[in-house]
Amino acid sequence: TQLLEQSPQFLSIQEGENLTVYCNSSSVFSSLQWYRQEPGEGPVLLVTVVTGGEVKKLKRLTFQFGDARKDSSLHITAAQPGDTGLYLCAGEIGGVGTSYGKLTFGQGTILTVHP
Amino acid sequence: EAGVAQSPRYKIIEKRQSVAFWCNPISGHATLYWYQQILGQGPKLLIQFQNNGVVDDSQLPKDRFSAERLKGVDSTLKIQPAKLEDSAVYLCASSARPGHDYEQYFGPGTRLTVT
Repeated sequence: TQLLEQSPQFLSIQEGENLTVYCNSSSVFSSLQWYRQEPGEGPVLLVTVVTGGEVKKLKRLTFQFGDARKDSSLHITAAQPGDTGLYLCAGEIGGVGTSYGKLTFGQGTILTVHP
Repeated sequence: EAGVAQSPRYKIIEKRQSVAFWCNPISGHATLYWYQQILGQGPKLLIQFQNNGVVDDSQLPKDRFSAERLKGVDSTLKIQPAKLEDSAVYLCASSARPGHDYEQYFGPGTRLTVT
């Protein structure tokens, strides 16, 4: 059973287009993170959202955490070929205590931006 | 600052053979994680160490997988005997402390192919 469902699984767009990736769950998360992974490398953290309804912006990337802390979205404005990669969301369940910091990852969204 | 180091980068073995992976985390990081990433999926946490103690190994197939972090620094993950379904990238990550306030830094991974 996949706790975190990401959609779409694949996205192929032209440079300059906008896109949104979704991350949904029936579970409540204490925090949610977005990562970007390139071939042959480990994931790299983009952002952490903690508060329900929180919106964070990182240049052309906008991240939103749902009010109920069960879902999140990543929006990229004017995509560039350098944005190509695997985008992963990861949720942290629970607070301080056992398994604190344990992340459950979605299956990922493969984004290809064509010049 | 040096990142998380992993070796080997690639390994090909036959089923029923044994294999070991090594991870050297970022200096001073108390928390170390081993993840399994099967092609087309997000990483799955296998085991989490806090210093040299195991915090979570609930998803580690203990009949064939073992991991240790004897001196609270580097760590080894072993598979004995390997099965075809163990083919995956094994990622090591470390953080200064557990929890979303402390970024997890991932190594490049070891790609294992079991034939």
